[in-house]
Amino acid sequence: DVKVTQSSRYLVKRTGEKVFLECVQDMDHENMFWYRQDPGLGLRLIYFSYDVKMKEKGDIPEGYSVSREKKERFSLILESASTNQTSMYLCASSKGTNQPQHFGDGTRLSIL
Amino acid sequence: DAKTTQPPSMDCAEGRAANLPCNHSTISGNEYVYWYRQIHSQGPQYIIHGLKNNETNEMASLIITEDRKSSTLILPHATLRDTAVYYCIVRVAGNQFYFGTGTSLTVIP
Repeated sequence: DVKVTQSSRYLVKRTGEKVFLECVQDMDHENMFWYRQDPGLGLRLIYFSYDVKMKEKGDIPEGYSVSREKKERFSLILESASTNQTSMYLCASSKGTNQPQHFGDGTRLSIL
Repeated sequence: DAKTTQPPSMDCAEGRAANLPCNHSTISGNEYVYWYRQIHSQGPQYIIHGLKNNETNEMASLIITEDRKSSTLILPHATLRDTAVYYCIVRVAGNQFYFGTGTSLTVIP
């Protein structure tokens, strides 16, 4: 089975801090994704990556950056955390164009 | 871009089949239909996907109408653990998936 692991289930940070969310997949998938999920808004795509060192903006990239130095790892960075970035963050990976995405269990991030 | 429409909520008796509908009337010929579910506090779980033929796996069956404008996810014998939010997704624009608000399925004992 595909395993997508997110480094933390719960995280509490302060406004202005730089925050790193880590995601690792063990199935040699080319594609990786970061979403945030908020009540009433569904899942919204922040960034995605088709290959190592490649990244593409999703629908809501403002205030975020990403890093993909190795194929199995995709990091989401909040450059200067703000309270409106309090959310559930979900990482996903997929093998190819029409293959399903597989999700981690999410990181519930609170910015105080 | 293709959009999907799902009822916001449904109930199903335990042991009965749960039939979850999805409308995707603007789907294009090469777009797949995917189904996921999400149990509270967990990430979305992949269930099944298809292009035009009906599909079945160990979790569910997917019935896609001949004109591809709608589909139905069938959980043949619903259990309490199937209580979740179910998302019907049509893939658009490369690898992006757009999740709506889904159908909240409650399985009743």
